Amino acid sequence: KQEVTQIPAALSVPEGENLVLNCSFTDSAIYNLQWFRQDPGKGLTSLLLIQSSQREQTSGRLNASLDKSSGRSTLYIAASQPGDSATYLCAVMDSSYKLIFGSGTRLLVRP
Amino acid sequence: EAGVAQSPRYKIIEKRQSVAFWCNPISGHATLYWYQQILGQGPKLLIQFQNNGVVDDSQLPKDRFSAERLKGVDSTLKIQPAKLEDSAVYLCASSLGGSNTEAFFGQGTRLTVV
Repeated sequence: KQEVTQIPAALSVPEGENLVLNCSFTDSAIYNLQWFRQDPGKGLTSLLLIQSSQREQTSGRLNASLDKSSGRSTLYIAASQPGDSATYLCAVMDSSYKLIFGSGTRLLVRP
Repeated sequence: EAGVAQSPRYKIIEKRQSVAFWCNPISGHATLYWYQQILGQGPKLLIQFQNNGVVDDSQLPKDRFSAERLKGVDSTLKIQPAKLEDSAVYLCASSLGGSNTEAFFGQGTRLTVV
């Protein structure tokens, strides 16, 4: 059974700092991995999708990497801003096309 | 392109009552998901449709939850009777389908059972 874990559960950093969020999964048989952002009381916004054949994807200040063999992904946020404060969730699409989520990392960027 | 639409946004009901949520996916999206997200946790998959067929409903509490997707477009999720532990946000998502397509989420319905 696929399990997704995100570390740390919460993170507080000063504005301007570069930071890394971690995601690990137990079964490497995945089709893709997706990173989402969730603001309080809102739905999920897709940030990056990494296909199983890819190693990384970039969008603006965000860079996500995927190491399928070791079951790990990282989301790198450069020059963090208070507007980046949110919960970040990773999800893997397993071999049955199910999208399975981790429990998220709550990020607070202090001005 | 219009996003995934969900209604209502909020619902408060008493335990043992019934409730229904509605989802309209992005046009042309074959795959539709319903998730339950309890406060402080990640979303948990309840049911996954491919067009109007069920792909996975292994985590759907079938004694009280039901879902349908008529004509492979809109979907409804029903709870009857509701329990206190059903208080959560119910999220609907859709994707084109296949192994490398992005999932898009609606704003969710926040259910409070009192």
